[in-house]
Amino acid sequence: QKEVEQDPGPLSVPEGAIVSLNCTYSNSAFQYFMWYRQYSRKGPELLMYTYSSGNKEDGRFTAQVDKSSKYISLFIRDSQPSDSATYLCAMSAWGGGADGLTFGKGTHLIIQP
Amino acid sequence: DSGVTQTPKHLITATGQRVTLRCSPRSGDLSVYWYQQSLDQGLQFLIQYYNGEERAKGNILERFSAQQFPDLHSELNLSSLELGDSALYFCASSVARGGPEYGAGELFFGEGSRLTVL
Repeated sequence: QKEVEQDPGPLSVPEGAIVSLNCTYSNSAFQYFMWYRQYSRKGPELLMYTYSSGNKEDGRFTAQVDKSSKYISLFIRDSQPSDSATYLCAMSAWGGGADGLTFGKGTHLIIQP
Repeated sequence: DSGVTQTPKHLITATGQRVTLRCSPRSGDLSVYWYQQSLDQGLQFLIQYYNGEERAKGNILERFSAQQFPDLHSELNLSSLELGDSALYFCASSVARGGPEYGAGELFFGEGSRLTVL
């Protein structure tokens, strides 16, 4: 079993829809959880960062962490064509990526105009 | 623009050869990370340097080595290249050395160096 599992997609939804992206993990030592967005031919960029369990909201984006289920989610409200990208979950046991972030393989998201 | 500069952007070479990838971190960032991204493996952490010292090691092959220089730029050396080494190699930087009190977690990635081994 891989440490971090993420459905590669592609996930195709119409503009304006609510998007739900998810990752499961097996390492109970993970306590820092991140979502990165990667556009084609670009490096990943940090979208959301949460520590331990709970919810965090930033504009149209909401990140949820359920450590008891080892499950994290990213919700995108009022999705836009510009949200089309690959979304990577990432996690680490120590903040700052001191042990190196463990990434999911990414979900390719397509928002249809 | 993340502020992290990687060169070269593209590199094509033959099996058995050696290449060097270069990274300049964001101004003020002390930590540099190297990641390898391939279609089947995703983003894999290779190695981290903090202020010139190796801090963490991931799935880095013995054929690969890295260093961080006094001006904080870093180089990743890949030798005895094999077909399977073809991938995107990303450098990332952060100011943090670890812990939430340092605003940890945000890595700034460069645009990557695409290596093709023929």
